[in-house]
Amino acid sequence: NAGVTQTPKFQVLKTGQSMTLQCAQDMNHNSMYWYRQDPGMGLRLIYYSASEGTTDKGEVPNGYNVSRLNKREFSLRLESAAPSQTSVYFCASSEETSGSPSQETQYFGPGTRLLVL
Amino acid sequence: GESVGLHLPTLSVQEGDNSIINCAYSNSASDYFIWYKQESGKGPQFIIDIRSNMDKRQGQRVTVLLNKTVKHLSLQIAATQPGDSAVYFCAENPYNFNKFYFGSGTKLNVKP
Repeated sequence: NAGVTQTPKFQVLKTGQSMTLQCAQDMNHNSMYWYRQDPGMGLRLIYYSASEGTTDKGEVPNGYNVSRLNKREFSLRLESAAPSQTSVYFCASSEETSGSPSQETQYFGPGTRLLVL
Repeated sequence: GESVGLHLPTLSVQEGDNSIINCAYSNSASDYFIWYKQESGKGPQFIIDIRSNMDKRQGQRVTVLLNKTVKHLSLQIAATQPGDSAVYFCAENPYNFNKFYFGSGTKLNVKP
């Protein structure tokens, strides 16, 4: 199993450009997440999808949109990139099973490093 | 609001010594906690978790202690090795089954 994969690994954008970050998991997990990580700060949740067909805002959703394409894939889109969105983006997944709290662990991808000039 | 913080941003230990990484949380309703390890250029990796109905949980060379009275969490690494050098995060799940709040991390440096 590859686990959680992300593409691209690195991207440079100019202010105002758009792009989509891709994420896929092969663990048959129900829930998927997008986080951003900035220097000196913990991971902050952008959006999450508790199950296929649903998405919800996290702590810092402004400037982003997401699509849960199917159970495996969860994409993050920047419609008009801003320098403040320079960050490392992590996708994660977890197997949400009510009544089985031990399944709440999130598994992370390797990250996408985004630089907005 | 919730806050998950770490007492020390950087911790240096000698190879073979034990390491203790601390974490404070503010929400007494949090009932699930995870420690993650993040190596340079990689995503966070699950180390160990603990529920609020437990005070201690042990894994392979790692132990997590939970003190609910003072809302404090710690990660103990026995016989620290160079491969343990990384940033360690704690995360809490206060009331949402799948949403976590992460601390800013402690960098562990292991000196040979």
